[in-house]
Amino acid sequence: DTGVSQDPRHKITKRGQNVTFRCDPISEHNRLYWYRQTLGQGPEFLTYFQNEAQLEKSRLLSDRFSAERPKGSFSTLEIQRTEQGDSAMYLCASSPSGGVGEAFFGQGTRLTVV
Amino acid sequence: RKEVEQDPGPFNVPEGATVAFNCTYSNSASQSFFWYRQDCRKEPKLLMSVYSSGNEDGRFTAQLNRASQYISLLIRDSKLSDSATYLCAVNADYGQNFVFGPGTRLSVLP
Repeated sequence: DTGVSQDPRHKITKRGQNVTFRCDPISEHNRLYWYRQTLGQGPEFLTYFQNEAQLEKSRLLSDRFSAERPKGSFSTLEIQRTEQGDSAMYLCASSPSGGVGEAFFGQGTRLTVV
Repeated sequence: RKEVEQDPGPFNVPEGATVAFNCTYSNSASQSFFWYRQDCRKEPKLLMSVYSSGNEDGRFTAQLNRASQYISLLIRDSKLSDSATYLCAVNADYGQNFVFGPGTRLSVLP
């Protein structure tokens, strides 16, 4: 499968715990995005990487959230001290540097904080 | 005003009907535009990019109106399998942050 891959697909955690999600983009794509989506809403932008550089972060990304893409390939999103309001689908997308920049999504990680 | 707005629906239409969705955007510097389809509890999948001259892919036609800052999606001869949420996405610079609308839910009824 050459699409965007996310792991895990589902995560249930207790409030206050830390969680980390991984995203493997399409191999030739140098742009990588993280989004969060709750029921009935569109995806909300969290952060964006071009290669290993984090170029943009949303105001939604509190200091409990951190994302990395150390070698410009896979990325991780960590949430520290999870809160119930963090429960959502976390989506990763990647896009190539050329063309009009269409983004392709992974299947997402569904986080439930109990 | 939200950056990207859509009528959430639901749009309930019979099979074979033609249905159209609009999406308005507030950032006049927006450069690229897309329609995505999202099935329940699945990830968004790219349906089509929207070009300035408009574009068609089978039963689907997308249009861009820069003057009025909206994009549209027309689905002809709806199928049951078209039932999904349709998201529009806009970005202000190629490859930069994509802003999504809340989506429009379509149900095609037998």
